[in-house]
Amino acid sequence: DQQVKQNSPSLSVQEGRISILNCDYTNSMFDYFLWYKKYPAEGPTFLISISSIKDKNEDGRFTVFLNKSAKHLSLHIVPSQPGDSAVYFCAASALGAQKLVFGQGTRLTINP
Amino acid sequence: NAGVTQTPKFQVLKTGQSMTLQCAQDMNHEYMSWYRQDPGMGLRLIHYSVGAGITDQGEVPNGYNVSRSTTEDFPLRLLSAAPSQTSVYFCASSYTGTGEAFFGQGTRLTVV
Repeated sequence: DQQVKQNSPSLSVQEGRISILNCDYTNSMFDYFLWYKKYPAEGPTFLISISSIKDKNEDGRFTVFLNKSAKHLSLHIVPSQPGDSAVYFCAASALGAQKLVFGQGTRLTINP
Repeated sequence: NAGVTQTPKFQVLKTGQSMTLQCAQDMNHEYMSWYRQDPGMGLRLIHYSVGAGITDQGEVPNGYNVSRSTTEDFPLRLLSAAPSQTSVYFCASSYTGTGEAFFGQGTRLTVV
């Protein structure tokens, strides 16, 4: 059973517009959520995170929203830039646990 | 500051062979983990360690062995390689259990 799901394998967005990547989870014990970005032939790099006690966290062009009642989180990138083209992974963990559970990933393509 | 270093970057094994994937970090992180990435499945946790001398199983531990004799090193051993272990393997380390991990560049393993 997939505890963290990213239902969109790919997303294409025009440069300068907003990119919205979505993620759903099923395990109520998750209380920390993260987004990672991955370029080809590289390891994932940490992008932004949010604790379950918050519903929004912002870092520059990146904002993560958490809706606990819907068990849903989203990553907003605005404005989107060509360098944002990558695979984005949503991940979740329980506090104190080092067991990250990842979604399948969404390939984001930013078109000029 | 090298971060997390994985060797080798590429490896081809024959079924039944054994090998060790190396992982070293120079950030004095307590937490280290091994993940495998397969198409359409995101990253799945194989084994993890919360400090020297302490390891535990993740989601997909079968066929793999780990040990943690020092803070810096966390090798992953394939005991008897099988084609199902063809994957890209990532090592990660972090300060805390919240999952904001630093990843290595990955080892692409093919078992024939």
